[in-house]
Amino acid sequence: DIVMTQTPLSSPVTLGQPASISCTSSQSLEHSDGNIYLSWLHQRPGQPPRLLIYQISNRFSGVPDRFSGSGTGTDFSLKISRVEAEDVGVYYCMQATQFPFTFGQGTKLEIK
Amino acid sequence: EVQLLESGGALVQPGGSLRLSCAASGFSFNKYAMAWVRQPAGKGLEWVSAISGGAARTDYADSVKGRCTISRDNSKGMLFLEMNTLGVDDTAVYYCVKGDTFVTSYHFAYWGLGTLVTVSS
Repeated sequence: DIVMTQTPLSSPVTLGQPASISCTSSQSLEHSDGNIYLSWLHQRPGQPPRLLIYQISNRFSGVPDRFSGSGTGTDFSLKISRVEAEDVGVYYCMQATQFPFTFGQGTKLEIK
Repeated sequence: EVQLLESGGALVQPGGSLRLSCAASGFSFNKYAMAWVRQPAGKGLEWVSAISGGAARTDYADSVKGRCTISRDNSKGMLFLEMNTLGVDDTAVYYCVKGDTFVTSYHFAYWGLGTLVTVSS
């Protein structure tokens, strides 16, 4: 199975400041079709996860442009350019390149 | 608007069985793969199972393989997860998730609100 490792596990940030989360996969996420199926999800307490980014860097419909994704091969990152109060919660990376699909442990973003 | 509504979660004794259902609407159900993802309270997400649009392909996490069966009724827009020999480690909120292609899912854009399964004596 592909292991997804996120750092940090907790990230206290100041409103208006940037935040960054890293995700490393135990093996390359390049699919046989040449694509990399790495996505980022955000979950607020008591709610289901919400898709933010898919295929490394594509923002899903309605996701603010302060969210951006990057990376290649086995190292990926999610960046928030200016954190807003609504961004608190847990962020997960997920790979769908190979079954079983796997998630990172989650990174809790909280406001200082 | 895509809507996914799970049901069937309950308190069940260890060794028991349960059938989860997911009613889908707002999209052509038979054209998309579907999946189940679970989340124990206060913990992370775990992919459980997936099924292709025509049900020709099913996949399972090792943690549930042999104990769970995913199925779908395309005529009714329904997804199911039959769970047997339940253990305390199966206690979680189970989410129904829409895939993005007929054969498989490359990202999970639409999630239900979840249904709670509690395994306890």
